[in-house]
Amino acid sequence: DVKVTQSSRYLVKRTGEKVFLECVQDMDHENMFWYRQDPGLGLRLIYFSYDVKMKEKGDIPEGYSVSREKKERFSLILESASTNQTSMYLCASRLSFPGKAFFGQGTRLTVV
Amino acid sequence: DAKTTQPPSMDCAEGRAANLPCNHSTISGNEYVYWYRQIHSQGPQYIIHGLKNNETNEMASLIITEDRKSSTLILPHATLRDTAVYYCIVRVEAGGTSYGKLTFGQGTILTVHP
Repeated sequence: DVKVTQSSRYLVKRTGEKVFLECVQDMDHENMFWYRQDPGLGLRLIYFSYDVKMKEKGDIPEGYSVSREKKERFSLILESASTNQTSMYLCASRLSFPGKAFFGQGTRLTVV
Repeated sequence: DAKTTQPPSMDCAEGRAANLPCNHSTISGNEYVYWYRQIHSQGPQYIIHGLKNNETNEMASLIITEDRKSSTLILPHATLRDTAVYYCIVRVEAGGTSYGKLTFGQGTILTVHP
């Protein structure tokens, strides 16, 4: 099965720091996604990418940017971390339509 | 993508079938129905998807009504490890610029009891 690996399971950062969350998939999927999950709000899409160097804003892109220099790697960047970005971040990848999406194990980010 | 409605929670006895309903009355002809689940502290996991016909795989069965306005996910013999949040998602797969993004609702919390 496809493996989607997120670089950290738990992360603690200070307010104002630049934060990089890394995601790597091993099955040559074109499409990759970043979600955040908060209690009572469910999973919300931040950004997605449908090809190398291509990206689209999701539902809540403010305060985030992304980078996809190689097909297998999709990075989420918090330019200046704030406490309201404390959340669980989930990366996913998907090959084609219709098809199943594969999710990473999640990164629980705490901004203090 | 069509909106879905799921009950917030359901219970099931271990060993019995769990039947999780989903209403998608505004579904259009080219929209697929997907089911994912999320076990506590893990990323969501794909279960099954379908367009018109009923589908079955090693995890579950998906029953879609003839008018496609609702569907039911069936876990034939629920175990304690099936306790999770189950998400029903409807999305277009042909054309458009959504590039496969999945919009998750609140889902159904299924609790399997011993």
